[in-house]
Amino acid sequence: AQSVTQLDSHVSVSEGTPVLLRCNYSSSYSPSLFWYVQHPNKGLQLLLKYTSAATLVKGINGFEAEFKKSETSFHLTKPSAHMSDAAEYFCVVSRPNTGFQKLVFGTGTRLLVSP
Amino acid sequence: DTAVSQTPKYLVTQMGNDKSIKCEQNLGHDTMYWYKQDSKKFLKIMFSYNNKELIINETVPNRFSPKSPDKAHLNLHINSLELGDSAVYFCASSQVGRAGTAPTGELFFGEGSRLTVL
Repeated sequence: AQSVTQLDSHVSVSEGTPVLLRCNYSSSYSPSLFWYVQHPNKGLQLLLKYTSAATLVKGINGFEAEFKKSETSFHLTKPSAHMSDAAEYFCVVSRPNTGFQKLVFGTGTRLLVSP
Repeated sequence: DTAVSQTPKYLVTQMGNDKSIKCEQNLGHDTMYWYKQDSKKFLKIMFSYNNKELIINETVPNRFSPKSPDKAHLNLHINSLELGDSAVYFCASSQVGRAGTAPTGELFFGEGSRLTVL
């Protein structure tokens, strides 16, 4: 069975400061891991994904995440927050090389960005 | 040009009624999904169809019946609505990887249909 735990339900930062959203995973297999973002009243959009290639993954809008097998973590970071980053972020795990996407979502972290 | 579109965006109805939500994707994907997002933002898969064939059917009451007339459409019909059905329902699509390759893992989501049952 696979699961992800997002350690913070809310994270508040000031504009221009670094962002860290934490995610730990549990998987019987080498997992595929993703971060999705959901802006208010919108659908989810893929930020980045890890699928057993490079452990440091770069995504859209300046976000990146590092896969650390020893820590079973896949934390999302950004050097400098922008007001438009305020949204809900979901860490997601799936079993790799499965033909059909059965993604397991974390409970989400709301990122609040203040001026 | 909206890639995954759902209608209606908002739906308010009484307990016991039957309602449908429609979804269409113009991405040429062969797999479509319905996800339910509850009031705490938790997302859980309900159904998945690949080329009109049901491939994932999670533990969902049989009051929920998906229907895929073709691979670009996946509709969700709900009978005898209950208060607990109030949620945001998201349609999504993806391209399954060709045989021997890993799928991309990216789902393309619609903007959601907010169902409120009174």
